[in-house]
Amino acid sequence: AQSVSQHNHHVILSEAASLELGCNYSYGGTVNLFWYVQYPGQHLQLLLKYFSGDPLVKGIKGFEAEFIKSKFSFNLRKPSVQWSDTAEYFCAVNAGGTGGFKTIFGAGTRLFVKA
Amino acid sequence: SQTIHQWPATLVQPVGSPLSLECTVEGTSNPNLYWYRQAAGRGLQLLFYSVGIGQISSEVPQNLSASRPQDRQFILSSKKLLLSDSGFYLCAWSPQGRKNYGYTFGSGTRLTVV
Repeated sequence: AQSVSQHNHHVILSEAASLELGCNYSYGGTVNLFWYVQYPGQHLQLLLKYFSGDPLVKGIKGFEAEFIKSKFSFNLRKPSVQWSDTAEYFCAVNAGGTGGFKTIFGAGTRLFVKA
Repeated sequence: SQTIHQWPATLVQPVGSPLSLECTVEGTSNPNLYWYRQAAGRGLQLLFYSVGIGQISSEVPQNLSASRPQDRQFILSSKKLLLSDSGFYLCAWSPQGRKNYGYTFGSGTRLTVV
């Protein structure tokens, strides 16, 4: 069965600090990978995704993530965070190809950015 | 453009009462529909999904059920609520056959069972 592990449940950073949120998944086949973000009081929304091609994908608001197949990882990064990045971030995976389409989510990481 | 509506936003119900949460999607046809429950520190737990009218798959044995009476309507129900049913419920949709598209989520319902 698929599973997703996010290593940090809470992260506190100062503005302009660099961010890296870890995500590892367990699934032996082709995968589609996602990061979602939930800003305070807002809907959960898609931040970026990977399904094929360049393993370094760029999303909205300066975020990027790198798919490392050998490590089963899809870490989220941002070179310089802003106070407005305070949110909860979720990594998610579903099976690519002809596998099932259910998406499994990690437990989430709450990021607080100090102004 | 596609939109997803979910209501009510908040609900306080007594133990043993029935439940009905509704989700509707506009601007697309034959979507995959999902009900998730979000618990603090535990991420999103998939409860039910549907690939078409009347087709419901349950992921977790529980006190809840789901129905899809129309193509773009997804309902989460319970006959008798338990305290443990309290939580934040999210509806989502994705296009049929496009697993790499990602989900679009509704605004959620905060259910408190008292």
